[in-house]
Amino acid sequence: GAVVSQHPSRVICKSGTSVKIECRSLDFQATTMFWYRQFPKQSLMLMATSNEGSKATYEQGVEKDKFLINHASLTLSTLTVTSAHPEDSSFYICSARKQGAPYNSPLHFGNGTRLTVT
Amino acid sequence: DAKTTQPNSMESNEEEPVHLPCNHSTISGTDYIHWYRQLPSQGPEYVIHGLTSNVNNRMASLAIAEDRKSSTLILHRATLRDAAVYYCILTQTGANNLFFGTGTRLTVIP
Repeated sequence: GAVVSQHPSRVICKSGTSVKIECRSLDFQATTMFWYRQFPKQSLMLMATSNEGSKATYEQGVEKDKFLINHASLTLSTLTVTSAHPEDSSFYICSARKQGAPYNSPLHFGNGTRLTVT
Repeated sequence: DAKTTQPNSMESNEEEPVHLPCNHSTISGTDYIHWYRQLPSQGPEYVIHGLTSNVNNRMASLAIAEDRKSSTLILHRATLRDAAVYYCILTQTGANNLFFGTGTRLTVIP
């Protein structure tokens, strides 16, 4: 159990366009989901914490108007990269914790979305 | 955030045990020690976690030092599929999220 699905797994878009990435918890409900970004040969960097029914909390240095996060239900969070530029090309990964689970419980990760902006 | 320190890389021969160390000298009393691993082009995968006592599961064992300032992830028999980056992370009371360090890249030699 505890499967997190991300879609699409890969996307190529032109500079200036917007891209939406979906993160779904398939067999559990998640009050909170997290979005990470990973550049090649680097570690995961937390971008934002997405809370169902409320505004996301962004980490320092992450532009909230560029990376729009919506968490409309207990099983779906979306990340929209607006006006994408080549420097936004990266591996985007979401994760979720089961609703009601304590802070020390494991996070469940999606398999990532590789975004290439041309 | 409480910091962890891991070697950048390690190698192991296939079918031999692997001991992956992690130092966390600033750990506080309620911080849990988590290990995740990330295979190439995939999201991280939970491996194991613990607070004070050693832990075993089907994937690995976690040995925690008595003073909790260090821990070791033990893979009992490395396989080629265990080649990944292994992250040691502390989860702190009241903090909902995980901050990843640089991890240890494990290479398994056939």
